[in-house]
Amino acid sequence: DAKTTQPPSMDCAEGRAANLPCNHSTISGNEYVYWYRQIHSQGPQYIIHGLKNNETNEMASLIITEDRKSSTLILPHATLRDTAVYYCIVRVRSTDKLIFGTGTRLQVFP
Amino acid sequence: GAGVSQSPRYKVAKRGQDVALRCDPISGHVSLFWYQQALGQGPEFLTYFQNEAQLDKSGLPSDRFFAERPEGSVSTLKIQRTQQEDSAVYLCASSQQTGLDWDNEKLFFGSGTQLSVL
Repeated sequence: DAKTTQPPSMDCAEGRAANLPCNHSTISGNEYVYWYRQIHSQGPQYIIHGLKNNETNEMASLIITEDRKSSTLILPHATLRDTAVYYCIVRVRSTDKLIFGTGTRLQVFP
Repeated sequence: GAGVSQSPRYKVAKRGQDVALRCDPISGHVSLFWYQQALGQGPEFLTYFQNEAQLDKSGLPSDRFFAERPEGSVSTLKIQRTQQEDSAVYLCASSQQTGLDWDNEKLFFGSGTQLSVL
């Protein structure tokens, strides 16, 4: 079973920041938080990951709370192409597999 | 191309037919994964290879599902005697997994094979 909880859907206006929350209250100290997204008819695409510190790359920022029980993915200036299902995943250290939940369907509107 | 390639893109099978789905991972990638994605659901893990060794097949739903990667590169997922409940998108992913920092390894996914069993 997925170890994360996400809202099923969210809307965001184009050009505005999209903030996608994720709860992972049972995360272990050595488990990373990964974010992937899946655009319609494509395979999932890696976005970002983190352990304790906040992370930023060319796609997004990841904010992890101090107790690591939740995190937020931030798309700073959402575009129509960011419309997708976003998956928050806790990486199981003892194996390599990613366990997906049902994700958040983000709709960016003009 | 440099990405993960899957073929065919679409497959229609009659119930009871055997099917074979192919995955060409990114060259040099050690790890290869198969996932099954039903409509409206997240991908579900099927099986995992490290080179030619199948290290985890805990997600295969029945003994009708079989996967192989004989030379540690191309992989084939075979489904025997297909049933309607097998209809789904089958995704393949690969990762480099150098062993140096594998916690940070990203998975690269193909676009999948959409299987429809009639």
